[in-house]
Amino acid sequence: AQSVTQLGSHVSVSEGALVLLRCNYSSSVPPYLFWYVQYPNQGLQLLLKYTTGATLVKGINGFEAEFKKSETSFHLTKPSAHMSDAAEYFCAVSYGGATNKLIFGTGTLLAVQP
Amino acid sequence: GAVVSQHPSRVICKSGTSVKIECRSLDFQATTMFWYRQFPKQSLMLMATSNEGSKATYEQGVEKDKFLINHASLTLSTLTVTSAHPEDSSFYICSAEIPTSGYNEQYFGPGTRLTVT
Repeated sequence: AQSVTQLGSHVSVSEGALVLLRCNYSSSVPPYLFWYVQYPNQGLQLLLKYTTGATLVKGINGFEAEFKKSETSFHLTKPSAHMSDAAEYFCAVSYGGATNKLIFGTGTLLAVQP
Repeated sequence: GAVVSQHPSRVICKSGTSVKIECRSLDFQATTMFWYRQFPKQSLMLMATSNEGSKATYEQGVEKDKFLINHASLTLSTLTVTSAHPEDSSFYICSAEIPTSGYNEQYFGPGTRLTVT
């Protein structure tokens, strides 16, 4: 069965430091790839997505992610962390088609230290 | 655009009672909506796919008689937790789908926190 792995359930960075959140998927067929952010007691907000085309995808709030087929990865990065980036981040995949289910990773809680 | 609302945002109910949660697409029509459940500090688990005018499709292990889903219009899906028990306490999130070229993007509601006492 397809799955999504997010390495590191908790990541802590200093304000201004690089943010790197890892995501790998397990399937031979490249899926559609998504990163969502969730603030406490709120729903999910789409940060960015990869469907087709350019493998480096830019999203909101200065985040970007690169789809690497050979590594089955879609890591999320931001050059300089801000305090407001502290939240839970979920990587998700979808294979489209009739069901279009989203399969979520377990999430990474990002803490930003002053 | 593409705003999804949920009502209520929080609900506390007594064990044995039923609770209805509404999911609305405010500025678009959605033939398909999804219901997710999220336990504290865990990921989202898909419960069911709600299709307008037809029966919902439930994921394996989800009791369809306990979690009743009705998608009566193109802008409204409801989830009713029947005979709620404390173990049903959770964060319930819905999403609504917009068909796009190649894939259908989902837009998420803000979630409903259910506490069963």
